[in-house]
Amino acid sequence: KAGVTQTPRYLIKTRGQQVTLSCSPISGHRSVSWYQQTPGQGLQFLFEYFSETQRNKGNFPGRFSGRQFSNSRSEMNVSTLELGDSALYLCASNKGGGDTEAFFGQGTRLTVV
Amino acid sequence: GENVEQHPSTLSVQEGDSAVIKCTYSDSASNYFPWYKQELGKGPQLIIDIRSNVGEKKDQRIAVTLNKTAKHFSLHITETQPEDSAVYFCAAPHSGAGSYQLTFGKGTKLSVIP
Repeated sequence: KAGVTQTPRYLIKTRGQQVTLSCSPISGHRSVSWYQQTPGQGLQFLFEYFSETQRNKGNFPGRFSGRQFSNSRSEMNVSTLELGDSALYLCASNKGGGDTEAFFGQGTRLTVV
Repeated sequence: GENVEQHPSTLSVQEGDSAVIKCTYSDSASNYFPWYKQELGKGPQLIIDIRSNVGEKKDQRIAVTLNKTAKHFSLHITETQPEDSAVYFCAAPHSGAGSYQLTFGKGTKLSVIP
C-alpha cells in the first residue's frame, strides 16, 4: 500500500515568487491536512480538505491557499513568498474521522532566498 | 482551541535505559492522542496512539498512558536503542465539528547514547 507522496521534495524560490506543492494521500483517504514545520514554531496547522472542501483553516495569511481534487490529491499554494515562509511543509492523509490515524508524507523543504 | 504542552524538550539516556515523555492538553473533549517519531530529513511517523476509552496501550517496547482526569498522557520507551534517537511529538485533535486538525507539542529530542 503506497504511503503519502509529496512533490517536490526540495524547492528554492526567490522572495515575491509563488510556489505550488502537491500531496497524494493514501488510497481511500479523503482528508488531506497541511502543516508548516519550523524550528521556532514547531508543527502548525495550515488547512484541511475533505471531499474537495476546505473544512478548517489555521491562523495563516491569505497568501496560503489550497485545493483538493476529486481523486483526493491536494495542492497548496503560497503567493508572494517571504523569507519567513522557509519551512518544511507536510501533508497528512486521513480517512476523515476525528479520531483516526493521520499519516504524513516526507514533506517539501521550501527555501526562500 | 486545543493547547498541548510537552516535556522535556531534550532527553539523553543510556542505551538500554527507559525514556518517558509527558504531554498535557487543555480540551477535555479530546479523545484521541497520537505520538509521532520524526527522524532527520523525514516526515513524522505515527508510532502509537491511544483513545480515551483506555488508560494504557503497549506495542513491544513502546507504551502510552492516558489520564483523562488530569488531562495528560505519556510515552514510555523501554530498553532504548540507538535507532530510537529522534524527535518525538505528541498531539491532540482540535474538537471542531467535522474537521480533522491536530495540535502538536513542541517535540522532544531523544538521544540514546550507546
